[in-house]
Amino acid sequence: EVQLVETGGGLIQPGGSLRLSCAASGFTVSSKYMTWVRQAPGKGLEWVSIIYTGGSTYFADSVKGRFTLSRDYSKNTLFLQMNSLRAEDTAVYYCVGAPNEYFFDDWGQGTLVTVSS
Amino acid sequence: DIQMTQSPSSVSASVGDRVTITCRASQDISSRLAWYQQRPGKAPKLLIYSVSSLVSGVPSRFSGSGSGTDFTLTISSLQPEDFATYYCQQATSFPRTFGQGTKLEIK
Repeated sequence: EVQLVETGGGLIQPGGSLRLSCAASGFTVSSKYMTWVRQAPGKGLEWVSIIYTGGSTYFADSVKGRFTLSRDYSKNTLFLQMNSLRAEDTAVYYCVGAPNEYFFDDWGQGTLVTVSS
Repeated sequence: DIQMTQSPSSVSASVGDRVTITCRASQDISSRLAWYQQRPGKAPKLLIYSVSSLVSGVPSRFSGSGSGTDFTLTISSLQPEDFATYYCQQATSFPRTFGQGTKLEIK
């Protein structure tokens, strides 16, 4: 069974850094296109970033230059490193796995990031 | 960026009703469109991809249609578990973008 578990969220001050983890089971993170989607409180869905199976990455303009993606094959985990955090980054962050780059099949439960002083 | 506009933003309906939600793209997205369902406090769930392909396990009362810039999600006979928020999403170009959501409420 495919499962994704996000951890690492919490309260962080503006300008701070946070690393989110997405632990996968039932498949290897290198075999799927892995995406982060976020949802601000009471708002809609916003695509954040994707890492291709081959390692290429793409980011939304709103996070480009501040967020990075990486994978740890030994831990079968995807990481989202978030730097220079802003209030507008406050959201539930979902990790998603898919067999292609287009659609978002398997979602984690999400982890809440709150950026506030 | 491709803008996705859903209508209506909310709709009230009764169990057994037929409901249609519309999604319009700001430019041609071919068939790269998906629909998601999100229940309160839960992660979204992929229902339909490539406009009309139903994900395995999704009830057949859900259907999708359209092409180019105009798309629809239809629920043929609403069930209690269908009351949720629905999002469309385009996958033609980056950034991937979602519609603002349509909240389906019980009348």
